[in-house]
Amino acid sequence: EIQLQESGPGLVKPSQSLSLTCSVTGYTITSGYDWSWIRKFPGNKMEWMGYISYSGSTNYNPSLKSRISITRDTSKNQFFLQLNSVTTEDTATYYCARLDDWGQGVMVTVSS
Amino acid sequence: DVVLTQTPPTLSATIGQSVSISCRSSQSLLHSNGNTYLNWLLQRPGQPPQLLIYLVSRLESGVPNRFSGSGSGTDFTLKISGVEAEDLGVYYCVQSTHAPWTFGGGTKLELK
Repeated sequence: EIQLQESGPGLVKPSQSLSLTCSVTGYTITSGYDWSWIRKFPGNKMEWMGYISYSGSTNYNPSLKSRISITRDTSKNQFFLQLNSVTTEDTATYYCARLDDWGQGVMVTVSS
Repeated sequence: DVVLTQTPPTLSATIGQSVSISCRSSQSLLHSNGNTYLNWLLQRPGQPPQLLIYLVSRLESGVPNRFSGSGSGTDFTLKISGVEAEDLGVYYCVQSTHAPWTFGGGTKLELK
């Protein structure tokens, strides 16, 4: 059974960087699939942020392209999200996922 | 970006009632490879989203067969044949044919 688990700070100050880790168990992230970061804003709106593929290539939402980076550590079977220059508009619950499997999500608040 | 319009935004149902949710796309979701990457998710309260249907009509493993998906091109429907209490939550359509992936606005299924 594939399991994904997000970790990272729940509070980030405006203008700083948001960094999250997704730890994957039950499947090797270099074996297949695209590994995404998706966020849900207060209310129902969902946004796909981007993914890193099993080969290491990345694809980002153009709305975030200048601020986002998704990387990985294959030795730890983890992938990472970095979002720079955050504002209060980035307050959301962040999920790592591959559509058929999702982490529990981590709520991140951007506030001074 | 592809815009997915979900209706209705809220749905009130009694246990055993059959209901449908519509998802209309601003452009065709037929990929050049012949697949249509339109998926349906359910997010129950306090839980991460769960994949119900992929490729328009294919039932994810473990999902009850009271859920069914249909449609083509730009017009898609999720049907629940006999709502059960565990079906309550927010339903999303999501397309991964065109980058960036995009989500519908969500349909909240409530008990009447």
